[in-house]
Amino acid sequence: DTAVSQTPKYLVTQMGNDKSIKCEQNLGHDTMYWYKQDSKKFLKIMFSYNNKELIINETVPNRFSPKSPDKAHLNLHINSLELGDSAVYFCASSLGTGRAINEKLFFGSGTQLSVL
Amino acid sequence: AQSVAQPEDQVNVAEGNPLTVKCTYSVSGNPYLFWYVQYPNRGLQFLLKYITGDNLVKGSYGFEAEFNKSQTSFHLKKPSALVSDSALYFCAVKSGGYNKLIFGAGTRLAVHP
Repeated sequence: DTAVSQTPKYLVTQMGNDKSIKCEQNLGHDTMYWYKQDSKKFLKIMFSYNNKELIINETVPNRFSPKSPDKAHLNLHINSLELGDSAVYFCASSLGTGRAINEKLFFGSGTQLSVL
Repeated sequence: AQSVAQPEDQVNVAEGNPLTVKCTYSVSGNPYLFWYVQYPNRGLQFLLKYITGDNLVKGSYGFEAEFNKSQTSFHLKKPSALVSDSALYFCAVKSGGYNKLIFGAGTRLAVHP
């Protein structure tokens, strides 16, 4: 009964490969996010979807493509992986449209991506 | 531009002593401030938020934070630290019309027995 679940938990791959990370939330939330946490623990938002619509798209290489088949799922596909993509990727969700100032985020446990 | 600064990489506290984790912010307009905690190998968990009203905000696990507009600070506090409080703490500020949280760099809290 995990609220926000991501798979896989660990992902080790070679440079140049294409990989996907999946995220599902069972909270009935309308908005989902992808955050990247680098080796210094700095967190930065990458994307946000509200009800399958892209609402936040930060300056991210176009090798990263989010896909939301429905509002409970937000997957992240990464093409041509590079060494610098190594990080922990967190999925999160929030109730509502994402506009409310007091909305809190619920995070998944993260996917540790290591590109060799 | 909106930003959050956490000046300390690590805070060390003895169990039972009070703790403070510092956060300062820079925003245009009203600040909406949050604290999240990250335990090892886990995602972030919401602790507390300041939107408006009383400057002292109480949150989960006995934590509280004090909003100080003149000092543009939102320090996290707890009167008596527990070893189980050891974790990474993130201060964050809301930016823009969407739920775009700007996070600080995080402060590692180590509580020693």
